[in-house]
Amino acid sequence: EAQVTQNPRYLITVTGKKLTVTCSQNMNHEYMSWYRQDPGLGLRQIYYSMNVEVTDKGDVPEGYKVSRKEKRNFPLILESPSPNQTSLYFCASSLASGINEQFFGPGTRLTVL
Amino acid sequence: LAKTTQPISMDSYEGQEVNITCSHNNIATNDYITWYQQFPSQGPRFIIQGYKTKVTNEVASLFIPADRKSSTLSLPRVSLSDTAVYYCLVVIPEYGNKLVFGAGTILRVKS
Repeated sequence: EAQVTQNPRYLITVTGKKLTVTCSQNMNHEYMSWYRQDPGLGLRQIYYSMNVEVTDKGDVPEGYKVSRKEKRNFPLILESPSPNQTSLYFCASSLASGINEQFFGPGTRLTVL
Repeated sequence: LAKTTQPISMDSYEGQEVNITCSHNNIATNDYITWYQQFPSQGPRFIIQGYKTKVTNEVASLFIPADRKSSTLSLPRVSLSDTAVYYCLVVIPEYGNKLVFGAGTILRVKS
């Protein structure tokens, strides 16, 4: 089954404790992206990757890191989480660019205390 | 400066046609306009995509005027299960390859 998976689905952590949210797709897509979703603000792009080893900042990259060492994986790293990073996070992938149909993961709800 | 503008919410009744408009004054000249649907606690799901004029698929139509400064998603004969948030997605040149989602329109369908 074609899908985008994210782990964990729920995470409660404390300020400053490094964490990684994993994202994996099995569709051989080149483009992958991370979004955060906050009430009233819609979906905002954090980082995106056009291909392996190619990443770029989205609209709200501060406080986040990503890597794309393999085509299928695109982990999101919070080196020192802060409460303002409490949000719902979505990973997405698409064939060649973000404007193509994107397939979204189920979301990761992160709470930073 | 708003990148895209959508109505915050809309109400409709079952069986009616619903039109949701997204304004995007300055989008990339050679990129598509895409619409997504999102249910609570789920990731967004692709509905339809177009470049100009009119596109229709099995669930919706998309109307794009010649100046491409706006687009209208049309849902024919909505049902209760169409209650969701609808987002338009565009590429705005001054933001490079970043994707910009609208804030979303909450559609409530009543019986």
